Amino acid sequence: DADVTQTPRNRITKTGKRIMLECSQTKGHDRMYWYRQDPGLGLRLIYYSFDVKDINKGEISDGYSVSRQAQAKFSLSLESAIPNQTALYFCATSGDGQPNTGELFFGEGSRLTVL
Amino acid sequence: AQSVTQLDSQVPVFEEAPVELRCNYSSSVSVYLFWYVQYPNQGLQLLLKYLSGSTLVKGINGFEAEFNKSQTSFHLRKPSVHISDTAEYFCAVSDYRETSGSRLTFGEGTQLTVNP
Repeated sequence: DADVTQTPRNRITKTGKRIMLECSQTKGHDRMYWYRQDPGLGLRLIYYSFDVKDINKGEISDGYSVSRQAQAKFSLSLESAIPNQTALYFCATSGDGQPNTGELFFGEGSRLTVL
Repeated sequence: AQSVTQLDSQVPVFEEAPVELRCNYSSSVSVYLFWYVQYPNQGLQLLLKYLSGSTLVKGINGFEAEFNKSQTSFHLRKPSVHISDTAEYFCAVSDYRETSGSRLTFGEGTQLTVNP
């Protein structure tokens, strides 16, 4: 089984619908992240969480929200999906050892299409 | 603030040829540097990383990269590529902050296509 699991792997939805992408991890890491990948733009950080009570906005948080339900679970929500949110979404985790190098461990991605 | 620039969006090469994927970074603090690889329809996996010590780092699948502080570069190289190396490669920089840990910033990616 994968250390970082994302569901669903693929989703097609319509403009205005609410969508939730879920992420769970078995690595025991405190830090979890949601990234968005678009062709030619690399990966951009949406939200991150350093522990269950900590939520931080990344560089492109508008239109998104997150919930850290437990150490192992971090979900991303689109309250009202729009077509320019069509992208590949990645969940990632990192450890908190010293020094914290920031090395990330990724899920396999969730491809979202908004029509 | 930190940033990463990958100088080539696409690199086509023939099988068994050498390849270099270029990456420049900027950061105001000490950095850690990474190369990740993304094979088609898969997530990203770590190829190699520079944390400290020797400026030449070796990774999986025969890849290596050299950290050049004066030129703020971290170019990825392989002396002889295979068809199976076809993938997208991402350079990333992480700035170490004692109080809040580190976060990765990614480059735009370089699509390496190896042709027979």
